[in-house]
Parts: sequence; structure tokens; C-alpha cells
Amino acid sequence: DSGVTQTPKHLITATGQRVTLRCSPRSGDLSVYWYQQSLDQGLQFLIQYYNGEERAKGNILERFSAQQFPDLHSELNLSSLELGDSALYFCASSVGLAGGPGNTGELFFGEGSRLTVL
Amino acid sequence: KNQVEQSPQSLIILEGKNCTLQCNYTVSPFSNLRWYKQDTGRGPVSLTIMTFSENTKSNGRYTATLDADTKQSSLHITASQLSDSASYICVLGSGGTSYGKLTFGQGTILTVHP
Repeated sequence: DSGVTQTPKHLITATGQRVTLRCSPRSGDLSVYWYQQSLDQGLQFLIQYYNGEERAKGNILERFSAQQFPDLHSELNLSSLELGDSALYFCASSVGLAGGPGNTGELFFGEGSRLTVL
Repeated sequence: KNQVEQSPQSLIILEGKNCTLQCNYTVSPFSNLRWYKQDTGRGPVSLTIMTFSENTKSNGRYTATLDADTKQSSLHITASQLSDSASYICVLGSGGTSYGKLTFGQGTILTVHP
């Protein structure tokens, strides 16, 4: 158990719909990262938050948005869903910046939210 | 463009055998290099983290090496077990002005057969 909690674990919805994925980081971790992993693909970085503020953006579509709340949990909102959005969405957290050295850069992943768009 | 290339894409070995996975990168400057293990449908789990000044780091049967001059890293697995079947991902943490940015490789899928 990494200590990172993601809900829901599975989600099935239709095209055009909107869903919200939730992530609770490990206690004390300030950084939250969101990744998308499509079938048989590598992890694609979407967005990072550090202590409530957006820190970096990756290949995140305009239909997607995220935020980190004062209690440090984060939500990823996916709207106008398309078939191609079906994927595993992972949240990860770290104490500091994950690119940093030592234990502050250790990145812990949740078990993911599997989204299926029909 | 910063890239991380892993080879082979997939590998099949027999239980008890050793294997070595490769990672070549162009990320520069970089702060650290990590290897993660990802079981199918699960979140990645960290195996090793090395700074640019480290040459080797072990975690049980997993040993990672780093050659910053040639920009290559390898992950050696000894006495493989069925539970080693997974995807192994090489990740570079950027340094300098891109501090905090991670670049992921596509992973090597390892299958261990009895």
C-alpha cells in the first residue's frame, strides 16, 4: 500500500459525459501528479500540483482540468469524453518535487482509476 | 528533446535466470534516475533511485547501474521469479531550470516462465 488513495477504482460512462477522479496523497506529501496510461502505452504526464498551485503541465487536453484543494487532495475532471479517453488514470504524490533528490523526490503511485468510455 | 529509450521492448526468460534491461537517455541536465516496477493494472512501485553521482544501487535481487558519461542505465535482475513478470520503467528526473520534471521511458515488459 503506497498510501495514495484514488477513487473510483473503476468507472464506465458514455461519450460526451463528464467524470471526476479523486486522489488523496500520502500524509505530508505536497506534490500531486496525474498520469494517463492507455492500453499497452507508457505513462503520459498530465499535470502536477505543489501545495495547491499548478506546477507543471504535460499533454493535458483542454477538455481535462484539475485542481488541488487546501487539504491537498486533488481532483481530475474529464469532460466531453471520447472513446479514446478510456485509460488508466494514475495519481502520484511526493513530499517535494519528484525530480528532486533523496527521499523528498520519492514518487508514490496510487492504484489508478480505470475509465471506460462506451 | 529529452528522451528516455528502453530496450528490449519485451523479454521472456525462464524462472531462475538472470536478465538485464537497458535505458538510454538524452535528458540533460538530470538530477536522478529511477527504475519502477509496474504489475499489470497496478500502480508503479519504485525499485531504485540514483543521483547522477551514483554508479550502482541495489534493492534485493534488483541492481541498477548508471553511467552518466554514456547516458546509460541498466537494471539487472538475478535469480528471476514468476512474480518479477511486470513492466519495468526507467524515469529521469530533470535538473537545472527543469527541476522537478520527470521523463518516463515506455517500459520493458518482462515475462518469467516456469
